[in-house]
Amino acid sequence: QGQLVQSGAEVGKPGASVTVSCKVSGYTFSDFYIHWVRQAPGQGLEWMGCIDPNSGDTKYAEKFKGRVTLTRDTSITTAYMAISSLTSDDTAVYFCARGSGSRWWGQGTLVIVSS
Amino acid sequence: DIQMTQSPSTLTASVGDRVNITCRAGQSFDNWLAWYQQKPGKAPKLLIYRASNLDNGVPSRFGGSGSGTEFTLTISALQPDDFATYYCHQYHSYPYTFGQGTKLEIK
Repeated sequence: QGQLVQSGAEVGKPGASVTVSCKVSGYTFSDFYIHWVRQAPGQGLEWMGCIDPNSGDTKYAEKFKGRVTLTRDTSITTAYMAISSLTSDDTAVYFCARGSGSRWWGQGTLVIVSS
Repeated sequence: DIQMTQSPSTLTASVGDRVNITCRAGQSFDNWLAWYQQKPGKAPKLLIYRASNLDNGVPSRFGGSGSGTEFTLTISALQPDDFATYYCHQYHSYPYTFGQGTKLEIK
């Protein structure tokens, strides 16, 4: 099975950074990549990147390279998505998901960028 | 990148109708395609994986077909709960990509 529980809503100022966490349970953390997807208000789904919890290897969509950092802490089975240099375009709901083409998603975390 | 072009963007239909949503890929790939349903304020729900496999608990009125560059989601007889937004998603190669979505509205 599996459960992914994300951290609560965040408000970040333009130019600042925010970090969203994704705590997993119910399965072996290292067995499945964790993917991050975001959705701006009224817009579609956008794949951001993924991390291999086993090795820490990451893949990023080109537009997020250098501004998004995916990490994990295997001791507490938690994945993290940090985004820096925030702009209003980063206001969105951020989701984590277990594996590719997955039925297991976190509940989403709203990030609002506002001064 | 594999671009996914979904059509139509909006679909208006009635309860009981049969509808098709199409996704065209910018290049061919081996059926690593999923279909998701999303309702406002909720995470996407997996309907179909590997292009044609119904996920556990998904009603049999949903079906997926296609291969290569053209994929279709079919809902055989719309129910009130089906009015939502649908996305195709390729997970064949990085960067993974989604279609732009199809909003299914009630007539």
